[in-house]
Amino acid sequence: DTAVSQTPKYLVTQMGNDKSIKCEQNLGHDTMYWYKQDSKKFLKIMFSYNNKELIINETVPNRFSPKSPDKAHLNLHINSLELGDSAVYFCASTNVAGGWTGELFFGEGSRLTVL
Amino acid sequence: AQKVTQAQTEISVVEKEDVTLDCVYETRDTTYYLFWYKQPPSGELVFLIRRNSFDEQNEISGRYSWNFQKSTSSFNFTITASQVVDSAVYFCALSEASYGGATNKLIFGTGTLLAVQP
Repeated sequence: DTAVSQTPKYLVTQMGNDKSIKCEQNLGHDTMYWYKQDSKKFLKIMFSYNNKELIINETVPNRFSPKSPDKAHLNLHINSLELGDSAVYFCASTNVAGGWTGELFFGEGSRLTVL
Repeated sequence: AQKVTQAQTEISVVEKEDVTLDCVYETRDTTYYLFWYKQPPSGELVFLIRRNSFDEQNEISGRYSWNFQKSTSSFNFTITASQVVDSAVYFCALSEASYGGATNKLIFGTGTLLAVQP
C-alpha cells in the first residue's frame, strides 16, 4: 500500500488548459502539503492544509486552487496553464497534533508538462 | 529570513569512496531543526534525519554520519564506503522548532546530485 499516492504521475497538456492533480494519504496524518519542484530541482512549498483547513498559502497565483475534501485527500486544480507551470508537483503529509517534527512523507510526484 | 545553501550541485564518486555533502544555513530563530532528505531516481523524497539546534552531537547511522556545527552554521552529511544505491539527490532543509504545528514548513536547499559509479 502506497502511503502517499498522487495521480496522475505524468500530465502533458496545452497552454490555457485546466488540469487537476489528486493526492491521497493512508497514514492517518492531519496535515498535507503541495510542493513544487522546478527543472533545477528547487523545492518550494505552495500550500498546506490541516484537518481540511488551509494554513499555508505561499504567494501562489490564483490560478492554483487547492481543495481538501477530507484530511486524507488534497487536490490541486490549476486554471489557464502557463509554460512556467511545468514542474513536478509533490504531495506530502505529516502529523502535527503532537507537535512539529518536520518528518514529511512524500508522494512520487506528478510531472506536469505544459506545451 | 531562513535560507539553506548547498554549494555542491553535483558530486561523482566511485563506489567505496567516502563523500561529504555540505550544507550551510541561515536563520534568525534561536531554536530550529535541520534535516536531510534523499530523493532517489524514483522521485519521492525520503526523510533521513532531524537535528535540534540545541543538540550539536554528531550522529552516526550505519554508513551515514552527520556533523552539526553551530559556529559555522553547517550541517554536513558524510556517506562512508558509498554504494551505487546511494545515488540520489540529497536535500538539506531547515525549519523553525516552535510549536507552530501546521504553520511550520521546511525550507529546502537546492540539492546535491550524488552519482556513485560502480
